[in-house]
Amino acid sequence: DIQMTQSPSSLSASVGDRVTITCQASQDIRKYLSWYQQKLGKAPKLLIFDASNLDTGVPSRFSGSGSGTDFTFTISSLQPEDFATYYCLQYDNFPRTFGQGTKVEI
Amino acid sequence: QVQLVQSGAEMKKPGSSVKVSCKASGGAFSRYIYSWVRQAPGQGLEWMGRITPIFAAPNYAQKFQGRVTILADESTSTVYMELSSLRSEDTAVYYCARGDLFDYWGQGTLVTVSS
Repeated sequence: DIQMTQSPSSLSASVGDRVTITCQASQDIRKYLSWYQQKLGKAPKLLIFDASNLDTGVPSRFSGSGSGTDFTFTISSLQPEDFATYYCLQYDNFPRTFGQGTKVEI
Repeated sequence: QVQLVQSGAEMKKPGSSVKVSCKASGGAFSRYIYSWVRQAPGQGLEWMGRITPIFAAPNYAQKFQGRVTILADESTSTVYMELSSLRSEDTAVYYCARGDLFDYWGQGTLVTVSS
């Protein structure tokens, strides 16, 4: 199985801050990585697919980059509604595997 | 508008089975992949397996092989996930999600396993 190492596991930030989360795959997954936002008690929401493509309707303050084994997710200016847990997912190989999650707190 | 509506919460005894449904609307049901993902309380997301109704053949995570069955009913646009030999560690919210990108999700179904 491909291990997805996501860091940090949590971070504290303020409105307006730039936030960066990384995900490292245990083997090459090309560009097949997506990022999700999950708010408490809700289903995850797709933000980014193919490492850097924004899903429809997702604000441009969210961005992703990387390929191979190293990926980065960035929120350029944190908004109040962005406080949530974020997960990466690799979909290059089976089984699909998620990162452990990053909780973004005030 | 695509919607995935899941069945309600379940309470089960250890050793029993649970079957969770996920009814899809607003899209061409048979052509899409449907996955099941679970989330134990306070924990992360775990992929269990998937099915494409038009092909019928499911794909399961090794961890759940032999205990999970995923099937699709094209006549009702519904996907099912059955998990057997339940133990307390299976207590989780179970989600269905559509597509290889998991671009649409059900609302989640809490399954509680307790004696």
